[in-house]
Amino acid sequence: QKEVEQNSGPLSVPEGAIASLNCTYSDRGSQSFFWYRQYSGKSPELIMFIYSNGDKEDGRFTAQLNKASQYVSLLIRDSQPSDSATYLCAVLKGGGADGLTFGKGTHLIIQP
Amino acid sequence: GAVVSQHPSWVICKSGTSVKIECRSLDFQATTMFWYRQFPKQSLMLMATSNEGSKATYEQGVEKDKFLINHASLTLSTLTVTSAHPEDSSFYICSARGGRGETQYFGPGTRLLVL
Repeated sequence: QKEVEQNSGPLSVPEGAIASLNCTYSDRGSQSFFWYRQYSGKSPELIMFIYSNGDKEDGRFTAQLNKASQYVSLLIRDSQPSDSATYLCAVLKGGGADGLTFGKGTHLIIQP
Repeated sequence: GAVVSQHPSWVICKSGTSVKIECRSLDFQATTMFWYRQFPKQSLMLMATSNEGSKATYEQGVEKDKFLINHASLTLSTLTVTSAHPEDSSFYICSARGGRGETQYFGPGTRLLVL
């Protein structure tokens, strides 16, 4: 079983709609969860992170965490064409001294 | 804030040569820096973790004698790919973490092509 799993997509969403990206992880001891956006040929840029069960909102983005189900998601409201990118879910197993374990990413396409 | 730079952004070299990549945290002190590698259509894979003034910790399967990491200061870490071969061609990305925070900020990456 892969440590962090994401549907590779592509996920196609019309402009203005809500994009829903999902991620599951295998290590129950994982503590922190991050969503990064990566444009083609570029390095990842942080969108948001979440530590506690429940929802966390930041502008058009909402991260949702369910540790019991080992599931984390990212919702993007009012999707824009500029949101088209690969979204990487990353998990931090322990403390900040650890590196991140990344999923393969979901390719999101926002259709104008 | 939290800007990380990498140099060079692109490097093309002949097989057998060594390549050094620099990673700098520009506006914060990075207690820990991480080196990742990303092959086409793959995700980022952690290669090693380095703390200032101490030896790097390498992930399983990463040769420490081939990928030399030096973290000489709180703002600079270097990765040297020794005797590079075509299979080392990849996108190398560093990240830095400062203080007590867990968030890692990524550099823009270095694309290495070994001929």
